[in-house]
Amino acid sequence: EADIYQTPRYLVIGTGKKITLECSQTMGHDKMYWYQQDPGMELHLIHYSYGVNSTEKGDLSSESTVSRIRTEHFPLTLESARPSHTSQYLCASSEDWAQYFGPGTRLTVL
Amino acid sequence: RKEVEQDPGPFNVPEGATVAFNCTYSNSASQSFFWYRQDCRKEPKLLMSVYSSGNEDGRFTAQLNRASQYISLLIRDSKLSDSATYLCVVNTYGQNFVFGPGTRLSVLP
Repeated sequence: EADIYQTPRYLVIGTGKKITLECSQTMGHDKMYWYQQDPGMELHLIHYSYGVNSTEKGDLSSESTVSRIRTEHFPLTLESARPSHTSQYLCASSEDWAQYFGPGTRLTVL
Repeated sequence: RKEVEQDPGPFNVPEGATVAFNCTYSNSASQSFFWYRQDCRKEPKLLMSVYSSGNEDGRFTAQLNRASQYISLLIRDSKLSDSATYLCVVNTYGQNFVFGPGTRLSVLP
């Protein structure tokens, strides 16, 4: 089993709130990723990091931001949540091999 | 054209059937290949890597054809618990992982 954790697992929040989705891994992986996935749809890469102080935007434009101050921690922040942000957010990490995913955060913005 | 393409599905098969999934990729520099399984509303989980010589893990066999840029996954004696979406994933050194759209499998009793 992969040692990658996400909190909260479920979040229901009102429009305009600032939220931070947490992701941490204990495998010492340099590379970490955030994906967004709607039910029954494809994964979309929204952010990635190849190491501390390195962050890049992914293929899908997102209003979220990320930071990578520590190797093990890669939080995602939405400054002002909107109903269009309702989705599942999946964090993953890797070394020079496969990716391992966290259990995801299911976000609902009312 | 998408970088990784898969059979559109869904595949509905009876228990015990053999089912094959196909995947093609467009980047000839791709180096690592994987099959992931994703259950409904869960995270993708690594099923197996795909090696050039082909590899088998119990009822699952993966094949890679670099010349044709084609990957396959064969499931023998399918079980109800095999019902999931199967994702083909390709990685190129120095680039990000590219996930296919997935093929959904339903194994019926």
